[in-house]
Amino acid sequence: DQQVKQNSPSLSVQEGRISILNCDYTNSMFDYFLWYKKYPAEGPTFLISISSIKDKNEDGRFTVFLNKSAKHLSLHIVPSQPGDSAVYFCAASLNQAGTALIFGKGTTLSVSS
Amino acid sequence: GAVVSQHPSWVICKSGTSVKIECRSLDFQATTMFWYRQFPKQSLMLMATSNEGSKATYEQGVEKDKFLINHASLTLSTLTVTSAHPEDSSFYICSARGTGEYQPQHFGDGTRLSIL
Repeated sequence: DQQVKQNSPSLSVQEGRISILNCDYTNSMFDYFLWYKKYPAEGPTFLISISSIKDKNEDGRFTVFLNKSAKHLSLHIVPSQPGDSAVYFCAASLNQAGTALIFGKGTTLSVSS
Repeated sequence: GAVVSQHPSWVICKSGTSVKIECRSLDFQATTMFWYRQFPKQSLMLMATSNEGSKATYEQGVEKDKFLINHASLTLSTLTVTSAHPEDSSFYICSARGTGEYQPQHFGDGTRLSIL
């Protein structure tokens, strides 16, 4: 059973517009959520995270929103740039030392110029 | 900051060979390192959690005698695929997590292992 789900395998956006990537989770014990960006044949690159005590975290063009009651989080990228084209993974974990991340299957974002 | 180096990036070897993959945290101390495996068009699947100075914890279905993990220092963990066979061919990625609350994992660039 998938504990972290990214239901959209792909998303296409025009340059300059907003990209919204969504993620749902089932385990209410998760208290730390992260977004990673991945290019082919490379490891994931950490983008932004949010703890369960917050509902929003912003870093430059990237904002993550957390809705705990809906067990849903989203990543907003504004404005989108062609260099943002990659696979985006949502991940969740318990905030305990040594606890692994549970990843979604990823969403491929394509930003066209 | 927060750089994780993984070596080698690509290995091709004959069936029956043992292959060692290194994972180093270059600019921070990693009490915990993780080893993942990724199949084509799939997400990252955790294989094992490695804590410095203690035995690794393996996920269900992962053979600990097949995938030997050593975490001898706060900056280095190694994964050895013993007597590798073609079905072990995959993309292996390590990550490292610093100490403290709400610390993200930082990933290496992965190792593409091809067993002939």
